[in-house]
Amino acid sequence: AQTVTQSQPEMSVQEAETVTLSCTYDTSESDYYLFWYKQPPSRQMILVIRQEAYKQQNATENRFSVNFQKAAKSFSLKISDSQLGDAAMYFCALMDSNYQLIWGAGTKLIIKP
Amino acid sequence: KAGVTQTPRYLIKTRGQQVTLSCSPISGHRSVSWYQQTPGQGLQFLFEYFSETQRNKGNFPGRFSGRQFSNSRSEMNVSTLELGDSALYLCASSVAARADTQYFGPGTRLTVL
Repeated sequence: AQTVTQSQPEMSVQEAETVTLSCTYDTSESDYYLFWYKQPPSRQMILVIRQEAYKQQNATENRFSVNFQKAAKSFSLKISDSQLGDAAMYFCALMDSNYQLIWGAGTKLIIKP
Repeated sequence: KAGVTQTPRYLIKTRGQQVTLSCSPISGHRSVSWYQQTPGQGLQFLFEYFSETQRNKGNFPGRFSGRQFSNSRSEMNVSTLELGDSALYLCASSVAARADTQYFGPGTRLTVL
């Protein structure tokens, strides 16, 4: 069975600083896709960043970047220059061959002003 | 482009009733997926439709069903509601392929009394 694990239920960071959220996964497939989504209190799930497993280069989107370690099955999210609007639940997800997203339990990110 | 829309946003039902939730995907998207989100179980995949065909189904009882129409709009139905069906139901759409990013609607909050 494929699994996604987020070991940090909650993280806090000072505004303007950098924070890294951890995610590990397990899959027997060689072709898969990884995602980070954020879910603010409004509940709308918003895509943060995606990574194709076949790509060695780590994905980046403005202040958001990932550290994708395929052999270690690790997919962490780094948020630079944290802003108050970054406060949300962050979910790591794996897209498998059955067209379904398999989700981690989420990490609640708190931004301290 | 308009985003994914879900109706209704909130529903209150009593045990034993049935409910139908609706999802309109982003224009041009032909795949629609449904997820259930609860505090205890997290995010779980319900089913995925493409071109009016169910491509995959999660591990939920037969009380949960869905369908997709020719315009790609989708509905999910839950019959004989149980207290444990109280959840946020999220719909996501993507263009078609497994590699495509899923974009989420705001969700429908179902409360079963």
